[in-house]
Formats: sequence, C-alpha cells, structure tokens
Amino acid sequence: DAKTTQPPSMDCAEGRAANLPCNHSTISGNEYVYWYRQIHSQGPQYIIHGLKNNETNEMASLIITEDRKSSTLILPHATLRDTAVYYCIVRWSSGSRLTFGEGTQLTVNP
Amino acid sequence: NAGVMQNPRHLVRRRGQEARLRCSPMKGHSHVYWYRQLPEEGLKFMVYLQKENIIDESGMPKERFSAEFPKEGPSILRIQQVVRGDSAAYFCASSPDRDSPLHFGNGTRLTVT
Repeated sequence: DAKTTQPPSMDCAEGRAANLPCNHSTISGNEYVYWYRQIHSQGPQYIIHGLKNNETNEMASLIITEDRKSSTLILPHATLRDTAVYYCIVRWSSGSRLTFGEGTQLTVNP
Repeated sequence: NAGVMQNPRHLVRRRGQEARLRCSPMKGHSHVYWYRQLPEEGLKFMVYLQKENIIDESGMPKERFSAEFPKEGPSILRIQQVVRGDSAAYFCASSPDRDSPLHFGNGTRLTVT
C-alpha cells in the first residue's frame, strides 16, 4: 500500500469548512483513497473513499487531484463533534486490510 | 441494522490468564479484521479472516495469539498467558467483501494487571 503524508494537527472554527490535505505521491492506478476518523476512545469511522473522481456523501467531500498524488477531505460545516483524528489511507482495489498512519488531529474550536 | 458488536467492552485479566475477545460482524458481512491500538499509538493490523479461513495473519504475534471466525457465531481473538504489554484496545472491523469499506466496532479495552 502507498504511503500517505498528513499534517499532524489542524484547527478549524465551528461552522467553517475544514479542509484536510493528504499526499500520496506513490499511489498506483489500482489504489483507492480512503478516509476514516477516530473520535477519542471510539472505533474508527468510515467517511468516504474514491479512485479518480471527486466524491460527496452526507458526511464529506473528497477531492482528488488529476494526477492522483494528493487529495483533500472537506467537512463543509465543521461542528465540535467533528474533533477527531482523521486518517487518509491508500488501499489496493482488491486488497483487504487498511494500513493506518499517524493521521491529522483536527480540533474544531467554538 | 446493528453495527459491529464487540464484547466485552472492558476486560481485566491478571498476568498469565487467557483473554477472549468476541466480535459479531454486521449482518451480511463475512470478512472480519482485527486491529490493536496500544496506548498513545496508532492502529495496527493483526489478522484478516473470511468465514472459517484465515486470509492474512501477517500482523499477529507469533506466539500466544490466535483468531478464528467459525461458520456459526462470532469471531474470537484469543490471547493466552497475557502479559502487561498486551494491554491495549482491540478493534474488530467487518465488510461484506474484499473491496468494500471496513466498518469498525467500538473495541474491547484489555487491561492486564
């Protein structure tokens, strides 16, 4: 699985958009970009995933650059409950496990 | 639709005892994964099972740890002769197939005294 690089921490004001970047410059054509988050002491929560095209669901949007070497997770209107560690993971299309890195600690401030 | 259920939520064992952690996957999910998170550390993959078969156990310690996912019933992660270093949160995840997202339970917190 390709390695990802994320900033260790970010802050965001409540109600504003949170944009979390991720670099995955060694990603291959068959690898998807997945995002999970872990709120303190809970299990990781699936957010969204994509291959090439931008994706949107009820939780977030995923923007993948055309060369697929980086992506951005967007939480459109961050709330205090979005404070968590966010993990960007690259996963082989027919793969099984997810390999978690250090993630980004997002803190949403009132 | 119930999520991934893990029990117990908290488990305390003395050194040398056995720990059994149970995971009931989401309905319709036949793929189960176990992860371990040591205090203040990241999530580490342990093992991947698909009904009665171990697919990938590359993250399992070679001794004292075993996992099963029988045809009927929950998946079990078994730790024999526990040591203090086994104290951690153990998370189970499930998916309906190899390609779908994994969905995690809220873990079992094992404390070895």
